[in-house]
Amino acid sequence: ETGVTQTPRHLVMGMTNKKSLKCEQHLGHNAMYWYKQSAKKPLELMFVYNFKEQTENNSVPSRFSPECPNSSHLFLHLHTLQPEDSALYLCASSQVRVEDSYNEQFFGPGTRLTVL
Amino acid sequence: LAKTTQPISMDSYEGQEVNITCSHNNIATNDYITWYQQFPSQGPRFIIQGYKTKVTNEVASLFIPADRKSSTLSLPRVSLSDTAVYYCLGGDQTGANNLFFGTGTRLTVIP
Repeated sequence: ETGVTQTPRHLVMGMTNKKSLKCEQHLGHNAMYWYKQSAKKPLELMFVYNFKEQTENNSVPSRFSPECPNSSHLFLHLHTLQPEDSALYLCASSQVRVEDSYNEQFFGPGTRLTVL
Repeated sequence: LAKTTQPISMDSYEGQEVNITCSHNNIATNDYITWYQQFPSQGPRFIIQGYKTKVTNEVASLFIPADRKSSTLSLPRVSLSDTAVYYCLGGDQTGANNLFFGTGTRLTVIP
C-alpha cells in the first residue's frame, strides 16, 4: 500500500466509448503524474500537475484529457481511443520542494486498459 | 537530464549478492541517482537514492564513484521475491520531479 489508489484496476472499452481513470493520493503531496506503460516499452511520462497546475504534457494525443480538481485527485478522461492505447496506466504523486533536485515518487497499482 | 544505460537482463541464484551497474556519463552536478523496483502489473517502488560514495538502507546499497559517471545497485542475498525490473534514473533539475525511465534491468532469481 503506497498511499496512492487507482480505479478501476481493469478496464475494457471500445474505440467509441468514453471512460475516465481516477487516482487519489492520501499522502498530502502537491504533485501528481500520469504514466503509460505499454508491453515491453519503458514507462512514458504523460502529464504532470504541480499545485493543481499542469506543467508537463509530453505530446500526448488529445484523446487523453487530464483533470486535476485538487491536489489529492487526478483523472484521465479517455475518448475514441485506439487499440494501441492498450497499456498499464500508472498514477504517481510526490512532494515537490524547490530546494531539492529530486524527490521520491509514490506510484499507484495502475489501471490495466484494453481497447477493443 | 541524465541518460542512463543498464543491462537488459540478469539472472542470479537465491542467496547470492547481485550487483546491477548503470552508466550515466552526462550526469549533471545537481543530479541524484535513484533506483526503482517494479513487479509485474504494479507501479515502480523507490529503493534507494544517492549523490556520491555509498548509501545503504535496509533493502540495498548504492555505490557511486567519485566521477559519478556510473553507479551500482547491490542487493545482498537475493530471494525469489526480488525478481523484478530495476530502473536507474538520473535526477531532473527542473524541480518538477519528472522521472524518465529507461528499459530497466530485468532480474530473475533462480531457486
